[in-house]
Amino acid sequence: EADIYQTPRYLVIGTGKKITLECSQTMGHDKMYWYQQDPGMELHLIHYSYGVNSTEKGDLSSESTVSRIRTEHFPLTLESARPSHTSQYLCASSEETTGGREKLFFGSGTQLSVL
Amino acid sequence: AQKVTQAQTEISVVEKEDVTLDCVYETRDTTYYLFWYKQPPSGELVFLIRRNSFDEQNEISGRYSWNFQKSTSSFNFTITASQVVDSAVYFCALSEFYTGRRALTFGSGTRLQVQP
Repeated sequence: EADIYQTPRYLVIGTGKKITLECSQTMGHDKMYWYQQDPGMELHLIHYSYGVNSTEKGDLSSESTVSRIRTEHFPLTLESARPSHTSQYLCASSEETTGGREKLFFGSGTQLSVL
Repeated sequence: AQKVTQAQTEISVVEKEDVTLDCVYETRDTTYYLFWYKQPPSGELVFLIRRNSFDEQNEISGRYSWNFQKSTSSFNFTITASQVVDSAVYFCALSEFYTGRRALTFGSGTRLQVQP
């Protein structure tokens, strides 16, 4: 089992604040992902990374940014939070790097509320 | 483009009933992978199963079984003798082989409520 951790679990913040959602995994996985989950439950890929210094935007446009300076760490940053950013953010990693058969391991998520 | 459709938004059953969650997918590739994930109230998605497009054998794991039919582009999930602990949101997902650089595409999920 991969261990993947997200902090904070819940975050309530005011409009205009800068926030960073943390995601770390301890299994040395190269691939990491950020998904945004809306109240209707759908999961949308917003960022992914294949390794250190590799980041790409996903299917859903997002004002957030990510970085991958270390294999185990994939933080997501919002420079200026807005109410439209209120959502559940899920981080994931996978142990395989080819062919699309990778099995994802998910963190518990960060529920972000922007007032 | 790939797409995963889970037409059932919410299902409610009484404990011990059997329940089937439907998943229909679209892809142009001949090689792809299908997945089911479970999201309990705690929020963390848990991997349940992965199938590749060349393996149409149905699979059974305890009370869980999966029916993969390429002819109808479906990958349905059945829980036999449901239990309250099965209450969760279940996601079907698709990954294409030749675009393995991309992550999974998820369906919109089916919320299963199992009443005692």
